[in-house]
Amino acid sequence: AQSVTQPDIHITVSEGASLELRCNYSYGATPYLFWYVQSPGQGLQLLLKYFSGDTLVQGIKGFEAEFKRSQSSFNLRKPSVHWSDAAEYFCAVVFTSGTYKYIFGTGTRLKVLA
Amino acid sequence: SQTIHQWPATLVQPVGSPLSLECTVEGTSNPNLYWYRQAAGRGLQLLFYSVGIGQISSEVPQNLSASRPQDRQFILSSKKLLLSDSGFYLCAWSVQSGDEQFFGPGTRLTVL
Repeated sequence: AQSVTQPDIHITVSEGASLELRCNYSYGATPYLFWYVQSPGQGLQLLLKYFSGDTLVQGIKGFEAEFKRSQSSFNLRKPSVHWSDAAEYFCAVVFTSGTYKYIFGTGTRLKVLA
Repeated sequence: SQTIHQWPATLVQPVGSPLSLECTVEGTSNPNLYWYRQAAGRGLQLLFYSVGIGQISSEVPQNLSASRPQDRQFILSSKKLLLSDSGFYLCAWSVQSGDEQFFGPGTRLTVL
């Protein structure tokens, strides 16, 4: 079955430390891949997306993600976290057969320690 | 530029009362429109999507319905709210299916 998994519900890092948020999917082909960020009580904002081509994708706010076909993963990274990065992060996958429906992961809540 | 509006921002309703949440998009034509519900710790659940006026697809059988009376207007309704309808409701739009989605600010609904 097609699915998206974000295995970490909560992550806490210190300001200035590096960050990696995990996203895995189950699908027989290459899907479209997205990372969104949500601040408390607000809508979601796109950080970056992957459709094809270069597997290392640069996004806004200093984030990047790498698509690894062999691992069915699309992990989000940032080399140095800022306090303002505290938010909830959602991976989303579009399975490119049929109706191109979005499936969101359950999210990872990031806490940043000063 | 495109913008998406949702109202109201917050709503407290008694069980059994009706519901109407509205979403409008500006600056684009014939968008795909979506309604999501977000419950704590459960991510986003797609409720309805629409690819055109009067065209509504329901993803999950439930107490809710959606309508698209105009190209850039999407309405989420219920005749009788249940406690389980409480949550954060998000409207979104995209140019086409599978593309980036742009989200509104959301409506926090509490059913008492």
